[in-house]
Amino acid sequence: AQSVAQPEDQVNVAEGNPLTVKCTYSVSGNPYLFWYVQYPNRGLQFLLKYITGDNLVKGSYGFEAEFNKSQTSFHLKKPSALVSDSALYFCAAYNFNKFYFGSGTKLNVKP
Amino acid sequence: SAVISQKPSRDICQRGTSLTIQCQVDSQVTMMFWYRQQPGQSLTLIATANQGSEATYESGFVIDKFPISRPNLTFSTLTVSNMSPEDSSIYLCSVGDRFQETQYFGPGTRLLVL
Repeated sequence: AQSVAQPEDQVNVAEGNPLTVKCTYSVSGNPYLFWYVQYPNRGLQFLLKYITGDNLVKGSYGFEAEFNKSQTSFHLKKPSALVSDSALYFCAAYNFNKFYFGSGTKLNVKP
Repeated sequence: SAVISQKPSRDICQRGTSLTIQCQVDSQVTMMFWYRQQPGQSLTLIATANQGSEATYESGFVIDKFPISRPNLTFSTLTVSNMSPEDSSIYLCSVGDRFQETQYFGPGTRLLVL
């Protein structure tokens, strides 16, 4: 079965520290990979995507993600976290006209 | 990216009633998608709606429970019929970009069924 896994329900980080939100996928072929963010009482906002090329993808709000084909991972990163980054983050994979979403990781950035 | 609005933004409904959720997009799109996000869970695709044809439902979702209309290229509705508390969820409308590579989401409709 095709799936996307986010192994951490919650990630806690202090403001100013680097953050990583993990994602691995089990989707056949060469899926496109995405990160979305959901703020409280809001819909999902597109952050970034990987289709092909450079394994490090840069996106909105200073976020970036690293694609690793051998580990089938697509971890979200930011060098210096902000309190305003606190939100729910979803990893997703797209292949054969279908999206597969991870279960979400709640990021808490403490001042 | 497309700008998507949904109405209502939230509602509290009684068991056995129905609610119709509207999704409006600021540009013409071929495919529109309806998702459900149950409390503390990820997104589950309910159906894909193409203009001028019947919606395609995912496993576990049926037209009688979630009828969908797609009268034109910028609008769609999802009805949650004969509601039960298990239908309490966030319902999200989304559209794909030109190449269907990226999906953009509406703000969601938060439904609570008592």
